[in-house]
Amino acid sequence: KAGVTQTPRYLIKTRGQQVTLSCSPISGHRSVSWYQQTPGQGLQFLFEYFSETQRNKGNFPGRFSGRQFSNSRSEMNVSTLELGDSALYLCASSAGGGELHTQYFGPGTRLTVL
Amino acid sequence: GQQVMQIPQYQHVQEGEDFTTYCNSSTTLSNIQWYKQRPGGHPVFLIQLVKSGEVKKQKRLTFQFGEAKKNSSLHITATQTTDVGTYFCAHGSGNTGKLIFGQGTTLQVKP
Repeated sequence: KAGVTQTPRYLIKTRGQQVTLSCSPISGHRSVSWYQQTPGQGLQFLFEYFSETQRNKGNFPGRFSGRQFSNSRSEMNVSTLELGDSALYLCASSAGGGELHTQYFGPGTRLTVL
Repeated sequence: GQQVMQIPQYQHVQEGEDFTTYCNSSTTLSNIQWYKQRPGGHPVFLIQLVKSGEVKKQKRLTFQFGEAKKNSSLHITATQTTDVGTYFCAHGSGNTGKLIFGQGTTLQVKP
């Protein structure tokens, strides 16, 4: 099976702009989670989508949003970018359902905000 | 919410030496997962522990879950340069995809 894919891999934006990142999970996986990774804060959970519904949300401002499509692909959007949003954004997919499943991470999108 | 504290933050060892990283929580954890992230890479799942006192081995790696389910450790015997990377423990919140990660331990191995 193909792994988790994320596009784009690298992105440079300026403050105030918005950005959309995309994630395609492993075929058959219904859960997609998003994480932000920075040197200072480490890996922080943004949100999780399961069967097109947000099932969990981390402690991030409303500028961070996401959605999931019927084919389980997911997008996350960050509006009004700030310098502090520069980070590696990782998505992870799992089979989902009623048990804790292994998370398979994608290669990430490296976002730089200037 | 639940937090997991991981120590040490960095560890430099000579190739062939052993390495251990520890993960601690003030509250009981229902599970612990371990991930490895190579430099420039993404986290890769290593193992999941769910039972009190559980010990699992993968070749030179030994994973333990404490009896009280408040701590866990990863021990690598006779490190190799291929072990370089950052090791994260993570707690799975409920039966969802939410993971709460420790800060990670970055391992450097000198050949």
